[in-house]
Amino acid sequence: GDSVTQMEGPVTLSEEAFLTINCTYTATGYPSLFWYVQYPGEGLQLLLKATKADDKGSNKGFEATYRKETTSFHLEKGSVQVSDSAVYFCALRRPGNTGKLIFGQGTTLQVKP
Amino acid sequence: NAGVTQTPKFQVLKTGQSMTLQCAQDMNHEYMSWYRQDPGMGLRLIHYSVGAGITDQGEVPNGYNVSRSTTEDFPLRLLSAAPSQTSVYFCASSTDSYYGYTFGSGTRLTVV
Repeated sequence: GDSVTQMEGPVTLSEEAFLTINCTYTATGYPSLFWYVQYPGEGLQLLLKATKADDKGSNKGFEATYRKETTSFHLEKGSVQVSDSAVYFCALRRPGNTGKLIFGQGTTLQVKP
Repeated sequence: NAGVTQTPKFQVLKTGQSMTLQCAQDMNHEYMSWYRQDPGMGLRLIHYSVGAGITDQGEVPNGYNVSRSTTEDFPLRLLSAAPSQTSVYFCASSTDSYYGYTFGSGTRLTVV
């Protein structure tokens, strides 16, 4: 079945460091891929998405590129801030009449001043 | 535009009690889902719906029922609460199978 695997956390970085959170997926066909962010005590917010191979999603300085050849969708940011501290979830969704969203385990990011 | 509204935000139940978690969206979205979030487990799909009158089971459906009589509402019923159902529950909705879901703010449920 479909699945998403994320790098285990927590990830601890200093402010202005470069961020990479790895995400790989297993799915038949051509799923859409997403990154969600969850700040402490809140719900999930859509951070960025890509709906086909080689698409790059971007938002708030975060980027991720849909790589079908490596089945990956790694999240990157050039310079993190303390306010980026949160849990990040990678997810996939196969087009079709089920529309189910499948999540990875989540990666906690802590940014220190 | 309220988005996805979940009520209540917090609830404490005794083992064996039943209750309904409410979820409503005002975006005319066809797709709706319920997830539970537990430490170290990520988000797991409980039930989902692709339109009014159509529901199906997700990854962890046991102990929960759903119905979708209208496009707007998708309540989740706990039939007989157990401590293992202590969790944070999220409802989400989406307009199209290519796009992401919009999430509610969650219901934190404790079963004692």
